[in-house]
Amino acid sequence: GAVVSQHPSRVICKSGTSVKIECRSLDFQATTMFWYRQFPKQSLMLMATSNEGSKATYEQGVEKDKFLINHASLTLSTLTVTSAHPEDSSFYICSAMTSGGPYEQYFGPGTRLTVT
Amino acid sequence: GENVEQHPSTLSVQEGDSAVIKCTYSDSASNYFPWYKQELGKGPQLIIDIRSNVGEKKDQRIAVTLNKTAKHFSLHITETQPEDSAVYFCAASKGGSQGNLIFGKGTKLSVKP
Repeated sequence: GAVVSQHPSRVICKSGTSVKIECRSLDFQATTMFWYRQFPKQSLMLMATSNEGSKATYEQGVEKDKFLINHASLTLSTLTVTSAHPEDSSFYICSAMTSGGPYEQYFGPGTRLTVT
Repeated sequence: GENVEQHPSTLSVQEGDSAVIKCTYSDSASNYFPWYKQELGKGPQLIIDIRSNVGEKKDQRIAVTLNKTAKHFSLHITETQPEDSAVYFCAASKGGSQGNLIFGKGTKLSVKP
């Protein structure tokens, strides 16, 4: 149980285009999902908290208009990187928090984004 | 702001030995402390967690201890195996939310056969 999937696992896009990453909780409902970014050999940096049916809460320094988050259902959140640039290349990981207590957070396998 | 310190950054042990990773946190309101294992190119996997109402929790070869007074918690892996090699992250909840997690910088564990 407690499986989170991400799609795609890898994506290469050209500078200036937009990329959408999907995060799904497969066997549980997640009122809250999180989006992280991870640079090579570094820790996870929280980008935003996504709550089903409401606007995402972004961490300081994260551009809302660049990283669009939509959490339209209890099992799906999407992150869209708009007008991507090479500096946006990174490993993006989502996590989903179980809705009922005790709360636990499960991570997806990550999406490797490369912007050329 | 809230902070989680994790030590050591790298740890190399012989197969069969024990490995200990330690973390300290700054937010006295933190009440949830998970540990994640991350293999290369994959997402973090929850391996064990502890909440502030207990001091120790064990699951087979893995155990976690928590000292709320000192604000530190540790991961203990006994009888290590080569497949335990990975990067391990500790985390502490931001305040009492249990949702937002603050991560340590990670420990790269290498188990040599």
